[in-house]
Amino acid sequence: NAGVTQTPKFQVLKTGQSMTLQCAQDMNHEYMSWYRQDPGMGLRLIHYSVGAGITDQGEVPNGYNVSRSTTEDFPLRLLSAAPSQTSVYFCASSWGPNQPQHFGDGTRLSIL
Amino acid sequence: KNEVEQSPQNLTAQEGEFITINCSYSVGISALHWLQQHPGGGIVSLFMLSSGKKKHGRLIATINIQEKHSSLHITASHPRDSAVYICAVGGGSQGNLIFGKGTKLSVKP
Repeated sequence: NAGVTQTPKFQVLKTGQSMTLQCAQDMNHEYMSWYRQDPGMGLRLIHYSVGAGITDQGEVPNGYNVSRSTTEDFPLRLLSAAPSQTSVYFCASSWGPNQPQHFGDGTRLSIL
Repeated sequence: KNEVEQSPQNLTAQEGEFITINCSYSVGISALHWLQQHPGGGIVSLFMLSSGKKKHGRLIATINIQEKHSSLHITASHPRDSAVYICAVGGGSQGNLIFGKGTKLSVKP
């Protein structure tokens, strides 16, 4: 099993550009989530989904969009990149929000 | 005040030492998680517990619900234990996890 696969691993963008971070899981988990990790701060929830077709905002949703058309995939879209979105992004999946999380390897994103 | 507080922030130990990392939280929870983030960045779940104690190899996690406190112990520490250890509680909206800032552990040979 691949688990949770995130692509790309690294990305550099210019301010104002848009891009999509990909996340796929092969464990048939209903719950998927996106976090950002910044120096000196804990992981913060951006958006989450409790199943295909259902998404909701987390703690820091501004500037990001998500969709969940299938159980497997949960892409995160940056609409117009800003330097404040420079961060490491993690996708995770699990059987529920308060169940052991399976994390992807992360995407290191820099916005210039 | 942060809802999840970990201490210490940084910890350096000699190989073989017994290590304790603490986590205190201020919200009502249904479960507490301990995770490990390797130097390369990957994050793995170590424990999920809602009461008592769990043990896996040299790692032991305990929780005291009344005192809103959990500890992660590492016995006979080894340099490969060097990592950031993260505490998280299921207390956010919809039961989402709230994370501590992590404890960076370095074990010297």
